[in-house]
Amino acid sequence: DIQMTQSPSSLSASVGDRVTITCRASQSISSYLNWYQQKPGKAPKLLIYAASSLQSGVPSRFSGSGSGTDFTLTISSLQPEDFATYYCQQSYSTLGTFGPGTKVDIK
Amino acid sequence: QVQLVQSGAEVKKPGASVKVSCKASGYTFTSYDINWVRQATGQGLEWMGWMNPNSGNTGYAQKFQGRVTMTRNTSISTAYMELSSLRSEDTAVYYCARGTTLLDYWGQGTLVTVSS
Repeated sequence: DIQMTQSPSSLSASVGDRVTITCRASQSISSYLNWYQQKPGKAPKLLIYAASSLQSGVPSRFSGSGSGTDFTLTISSLQPEDFATYYCQQSYSTLGTFGPGTKVDIK
Repeated sequence: QVQLVQSGAEVKKPGASVKVSCKASGYTFTSYDINWVRQATGQGLEWMGWMNPNSGNTGYAQKFQGRVTMTRNTSISTAYMELSSLRSEDTAVYYCARGTTLLDYWGQGTLVTVSS
């Protein structure tokens, strides 16, 4: 199975900060990488698919980049509603796997 | 609008089985895979497997091979996930989600508690 790692595991940031989260795959997954946001008690929400495509309705402050094994999710200006946990997921293999998550909380 | 509505919370004893349903509406059920993802309290997301509602084909994470079965009833646009030989570590919220290379719609989650 393809293993996914994320860094950092958590971070504290302020409203207006630029935030970057990294995801790494154990083998090349081309651009088959998605990003999800999850708030407590809620189902995950798709933010970015195919590494850099913004899901409909998602604010443009979210962006994704990367290919191969290294990927990045960037929030250009953190908003109060962005405090959540973020997960990457590979869809290169039919057996999809998630990263362990990055919790973004208030500084 | 696309909706995935899951069955209610379950409490099971160790060794028992649980079957969670996921009813789809607002789209053609057979056009998108259904995936199952679980999350233990305070933990991350764990992908369990997928099912193609058109063909019935499935793919399971190695961890769950032999214990999980994903099925569907196309006449009522409903997918099912059955997990057997339950143990305390299976206590989690179980989600269904639509998609193949991306998961764009999710059910509300079903809490399964395994306790003696």
